Amino acid sequence: GAGVSQSPRYKVAKRGQDVALRCDPISGHVSLFWYQQALGQGPEFLTYFQNEAQLDKSGLPSDRFFAERPEGSVSTLKIQRTQQEDSAVYLCASSGRDGFPYGYTFGSGTRLTVV
Amino acid sequence: GENVEQHPSTLSVQEGDSAVIKCTYSDSASNYFPWYKQELGKGSQLIIDIRSNVGEKKDQRIAVTLNKTAKHFSLHITETQPEDSAVYFCAASKGGSYIPTFGRGTSLIVHP
Repeated sequence: GAGVSQSPRYKVAKRGQDVALRCDPISGHVSLFWYQQALGQGPEFLTYFQNEAQLDKSGLPSDRFFAERPEGSVSTLKIQRTQQEDSAVYLCASSGRDGFPYGYTFGSGTRLTVV
Repeated sequence: GENVEQHPSTLSVQEGDSAVIKCTYSDSASNYFPWYKQELGKGSQLIIDIRSNVGEKKDQRIAVTLNKTAKHFSLHITETQPEDSAVYFCAASKGGSYIPTFGRGTSLIVHP
């Protein structure tokens, strides 16, 4: 597609529920990133993929967070046993170049609200 | 690690005025500084960037300046228009395989 697509746009989850957030990067983009953006804050890095390999997951806040990109294109960020502090906008970005952050393109994000 | 401070958090200007957003960074090894525009319901767009071997870069109404000694960089928007209203984020990176660190964002409101 023309841009990075994320779904769903909005997700309301009950505390303790598992959620899965999807990111469709720009076709052919090698690098894919997940960021968490709390209200009034800048994006905070979560994890990074190069093709299907997860090269950096140092930003994942706990072992309840898990990301995968099995075929090197679509990626899913999964949050298990959601808690209220997980409420945020989750942004996905992709880059066609190995030497990121050049050419980053962000999706519109998924706004997760945990109630 | 890198720490990026961005000011102001909110900036309100009249159409036609200039707007300046400032960021400081802590890691002197950072050498790449992009600026992103985030509009409601849209993905964030890279609007301009600068590398540490350059002091200023301009693209039409948008310019970015970098002071490596002071470790700060600024976004300048001239002749602002209502469609410039958005949240702007600065970031700093060491380039290559280093993940950028973002500022907290500035909400720019341009009143017609």
